[in-house]
Amino acid sequence: DAGITQSPRYKITETGRQVTLMCHQTWSHSYMFWYRQDLGHGLRLIYYSAAADITDKGEVPDGYVVSRSKTENFPLTLESATRSQTSVYFCAINPGLAGGEDEQFFGPGTRLTVL
Amino acid sequence: AQTVTQSQPEMSVQEAETVTLSCTYDTSESDYYLFWYKQPPSRQMILVIRQEAYKQQNATENRFSVNFQKAAKSFSLKISDSQLGDAAMYFCAYWAGTASKLTFGTGTRLQVTL
Repeated sequence: DAGITQSPRYKITETGRQVTLMCHQTWSHSYMFWYRQDLGHGLRLIYYSAAADITDKGEVPDGYVVSRSKTENFPLTLESATRSQTSVYFCAINPGLAGGEDEQFFGPGTRLTVL
Repeated sequence: AQTVTQSQPEMSVQEAETVTLSCTYDTSESDYYLFWYKQPPSRQMILVIRQEAYKQQNATENRFSVNFQKAAKSFSLKISDSQLGDAAMYFCAYWAGTASKLTFGTGTRLQVTL
């Protein structure tokens, strides 16, 4: 158990609404990641963070905003949700990335539906 | 940019038999890691096996083993003595270390039949 929680686990919203997905780790590992999973695409990186107040874009960042004021939290916000953002979202951490370690631990995922 | 290709969207295997899932990748790096992740219906991503590119020996974890062909950029997963609990989506993934992210393939859905 890598101690990663995501909330909510399921969310239905409407087009144009703002939605925030939460990710929390029980430790203080530096690197945190947000991925989305869609059929035919596998998992794609949205944003990642190397430390508190340090974030960077991944492969598909458009329409998303992240922040990291505290090391243990990494919220992902959809400022104006669109149907194309219907997906399963995974948060992940890499406990030892700064030291070259090689495994990411994933949260349980959030299934988001935008109507 | 690195890419990972899984050309088998679905595979089926009988219980107790052996199945091989294919994965190819493209990279210009010489040092990197390769992974196979399992995703059961619960959606949890579970690391099955990892391979460091500088190691020539193929990784093995119990019934799971890989065939790593660095020159061919191929990384297949062999599951021996398949069990019903092996039914899941399997993702091949690449990590170059310096890129700070995993690059995933599109996945292979494995069915295990009686």
